Amino acid sequence: DSGVTQTPKHLITATGQRVTLRCSPRSGDLSVYWYQQSLDQGLQFLIQYYNGEERAKGNILERFSAQQFPDLHSELNLSSLELGDSALYFCASSVYDSWAETQYFGPGTRLLVL
Amino acid sequence: DQQVKQNSPSLSVQEGRISILNCDYTNSMFDYFLWYKKYPAEGPTFLISISSIKDKNEDGRFTVFLNKSAKHLSLHIVPSQPGDSAVYFCAATSGTYKYIFGTGTRLKVLA
Repeated sequence: DSGVTQTPKHLITATGQRVTLRCSPRSGDLSVYWYQQSLDQGLQFLIQYYNGEERAKGNILERFSAQQFPDLHSELNLSSLELGDSALYFCASSVYDSWAETQYFGPGTRLLVL
Repeated sequence: DQQVKQNSPSLSVQEGRISILNCDYTNSMFDYFLWYKKYPAEGPTFLISISSIKDKNEDGRFTVFLNKSAKHLSLHIVPSQPGDSAVYFCAATSGTYKYIFGTGTRLKVLA
């Protein structure tokens, strides 16, 4: 158990709909990352927040947005869903040691768009 | 443009032998590399990392080697155990908080 929680575990919805994925980081971690893993693909970096502020952006579609709240949990909003958005969505929180950052991943949310 | 490549989708190794997983990258700005292990229905778990100022980092049965001139890193697992069967991802970053992951190699350790 990494200490990162994600809800829901599974989500089935229809094209054109909007969903919200939730992530709670490990206690004390200020940074949250969001990744998308499509079938047979690596993890694609979407976006990173640090203490409520967006810090880095990857290949995140305009239909997708995220935010991090004062209690440090984060939400990823996916709208106008398409079949190709079906994927595993992971969040990770991170901690810095003396010289490097380690990310701890949640169990993921499996999204199926029908 | 796949900046981090794991060209072997799968690998099978006998228990007790060495497992070698490979990863190639194209971006010379990458300065920190990581390996993650992923079991089905779980998120990736951090295994080991290496900074570009080093060429080797060891942690128990796991050793990561970095060859900067070849833009290549490898993960050695010795001895391999059945519990090591999982998908292994390498990842790289250039300090911009953007982590680029490879597509993974599925390791199967045969008892």
